[in-house]
Amino acid sequence: EAGVTQFPSHSVIEKGQTVTLRCDPISGHDNLYWYRRVMGKEIKFLLHFVKESKQDESGMPNNRFLAERTGGTYSTLKVQPAELEDSGVYFCASSHPPGTGSEDGYTFGSGTRLTVV
Amino acid sequence: DAKTTQPPSMDCAEGRAANLPCNHSTISGNEYVYWYRQIHSQGPQYIIHGLKNNETNEMASLIITEDRKSSTLILPHATLRDTAVYYCIVSLPKWDQGGKLIFGQGTELSVKP
Repeated sequence: EAGVTQFPSHSVIEKGQTVTLRCDPISGHDNLYWYRRVMGKEIKFLLHFVKESKQDESGMPNNRFLAERTGGTYSTLKVQPAELEDSGVYFCASSHPPGTGSEDGYTFGSGTRLTVV
Repeated sequence: DAKTTQPPSMDCAEGRAANLPCNHSTISGNEYVYWYRQIHSQGPQYIIHGLKNNETNEMASLIITEDRKSSTLILPHATLRDTAVYYCIVSLPKWDQGGKLIFGQGTELSVKP
C-alpha cells in the first residue's frame, strides 16, 4: 500500500506569510495525526482527526494554526501568519480504525520541513 | 512530558545485538510500551509494541519486565541501516482515547562497522 504522503517536502517562507501543508494518509485510515519537531526539541503532538472530526487538538500551539480534513480524506495544516518560531519539521501520521485492522503503530510521512525567515 | 527515560546515546558493532533499555516506572495498567525509530530526515517508523508479554516481530524483540517498569528493545543483528534515534513511548492504545504519542529525547544508536 502507498504510504503517508506529505507535501511540500520543504517550504521556505517569510515571516508573516501563509503556508499550507498537506497530508494524504493511507487509504482507509480514519485516524490522522499531526506532529511537529521544532529545532532542538522533541517531536510534539498537535492534533488528531477521526475521519473529518477533530478528536483532540490539545497540542495546537495557538490560533495561527488551522487544521482541516474535509471529507475525511486528506488533511491540511495552515499557518497564518507564520512566525520564526514555527520553523521545524511537521509530520503527519495515520492509522486504521481500532478493531478493523492492524493494531500496530502509526505510519508516519516523511514530513514537511518549514523554514520561516 | 514523556513518561520514559532512555540513555541519550549508544554504540553497537555491526552484526551484534543492540539492546536498548527504557525505564517507565510510572506506567499505568492499561498503557502499552511502543518503540519507534527515526532515521535521519525520515518520519518516525513503528517497530514494535507490547503490554506485558515479550513480543517479537521481523524487526525486533521487546522484553518487558514483570513489574512493567522497564523494557528492552533488542535488534538481534544490527546493521549500519539501523543507525537511528530510537524512541520508547508509553501510551494508551489507539482504541483508547486516540493513543497520542508523547516523544522523549530517545536514544541515538550508532552502528559501527
